[in-house]
Amino acid sequence: EVQLLESGGGLVQPGGSLRLSCAASGFTFSSYAMSWVRQAPGKGLEWVSTISGSASSTYYADSVKGRFTISRDNSKSTLYLQMNSLRAEDTAVYYCAKGSSTSYTRWFDPWGQGTLVTVSS
Amino acid sequence: EIVLTQSPGTLSLSPGERATLSCRASQSVSSNYLAWYQQKPGQAPRLLIYGASSRATGIPDRFSGSGSGTDFTLTISRLEPEDFAVYYCQQYGSSLWTFGQGTKVEIK
Repeated sequence: EVQLLESGGGLVQPGGSLRLSCAASGFTFSSYAMSWVRQAPGKGLEWVSTISGSASSTYYADSVKGRFTISRDNSKSTLYLQMNSLRAEDTAVYYCAKGSSTSYTRWFDPWGQGTLVTVSS
Repeated sequence: EIVLTQSPGTLSLSPGERATLSCRASQSVSSNYLAWYQQKPGQAPRLLIYGASSRATGIPDRFSGSGSGTDFTLTISRLEPEDFAVYYCQQYGSSLWTFGQGTKVEIK
């Protein structure tokens, strides 16, 4: 059974940094692209970033480009999201999700349970 | 960037009724790259349909997807109590992924 477990969320001040982690199990981690998708309180889903299985390709939404960095450690089956220069509008539940293939993904399945990031002074 | 517009925003129906949800794209989307998700309160989204019309593993056959180009539809043939939730469409194109704003299916 595929399992994705996010961690690292919490309260951070505007301008601060946070690193999210997503521990994966139940599949060959390096064979799949992985993504982060977020959901602001009471709002819809917003794609944040995707990384290929080999980590050779990364993709970012314009809203986070230059501030967030996605990475992965295939030896640890773990996905990361380094978030810098955080803003109030980054407040959301952050989900990690498994992709549909190695180089990119057409859909997201399954999703982790999410970790809440709150940016506030 | 392809914008997905879902309608209606809210659908009020009774158990046993048929639900028809629409997802319209601002540009043509390859059917291979259109998916639907269900999200219940306090839970992560769950993949229902991929490739516009293929059901994901374990999804009941009362859920079906159709469409092509810029118009896609998710149909729930007979609503069960557990189907009342928010539904999102999603597309991939040009290294960008976008979601619709969601349709809430609520009990009438």
